[in-house]
Amino acid sequence: DIQMTQSPSFLSASLGNSITITCHASQNIKGWLAWYQQKSGNAPELLIYKASSLQSGVPSRFSGSGSGTDYILTISNLQPEDIATYYCQHYQSFPLTFGGGTKLELK
Amino acid sequence: EVQLVESGGGLVQPGRSLKLSCAASGFTFSNYYMAWVRQAPKKGLEWVATISTSGSRTYYPDSVKGRFTISRDNAKSSLYLQMNSLKSEDTATYYCARQNNIGTTYNDYWGQGVMVTVSS
Repeated sequence: DIQMTQSPSFLSASLGNSITITCHASQNIKGWLAWYQQKSGNAPELLIYKASSLQSGVPSRFSGSGSGTDYILTISNLQPEDIATYYCQHYQSFPLTFGGGTKLELK
Repeated sequence: EVQLVESGGGLVQPGRSLKLSCAASGFTFSNYYMAWVRQAPKKGLEWVATISTSGSRTYYPDSVKGRFTISRDNAKSSLYLQMNSLKSEDTATYYCARQNNIGTTYNDYWGQGVMVTVSS
């Protein structure tokens, strides 16, 4: 099984700043990576797929990059509505697995 | 507008069974793989099952294989999860999700979730 290691687990940032979240796969997932945002009490929502493709309707301040085993989610110009928990997920093969999540809070 | 609405959750004793349903609308249900993903209280996301468009292929992680069965009724645009031999560690919110493509892929739409509590 492919293990997904996300860091950091918690992140505190100020409005207007940029943040990065990293996701490491235990083997090469060839860019088959998605990022989700989950606001408190709500279902997850897709942000990015294929490592760097922005889902329709997602603000351009969200971006993804990476290849092989290492991937990054970047949020620029942090907004109040970005406060949430973020998860990565590989879809290279079954079983599909998620990272442990990164909880983003306001400083 | 894509909508996924889960139902059937509740409190169930360990060892008993429960069946979840998901009603889909706003897209051609029979064209998409579908999945269930769960989230234990204050924990992360865990993929539970995926089913092919026709229902002929199903996939599960080891944690639920042999206990859970995913199925679908394309005529009713409905997805199901039959959960048998439930354990306390199955306590979670269960989400129905549309998979974007065939096979292994990401979830582009999610339902609001339904809570399942396994306790005596």
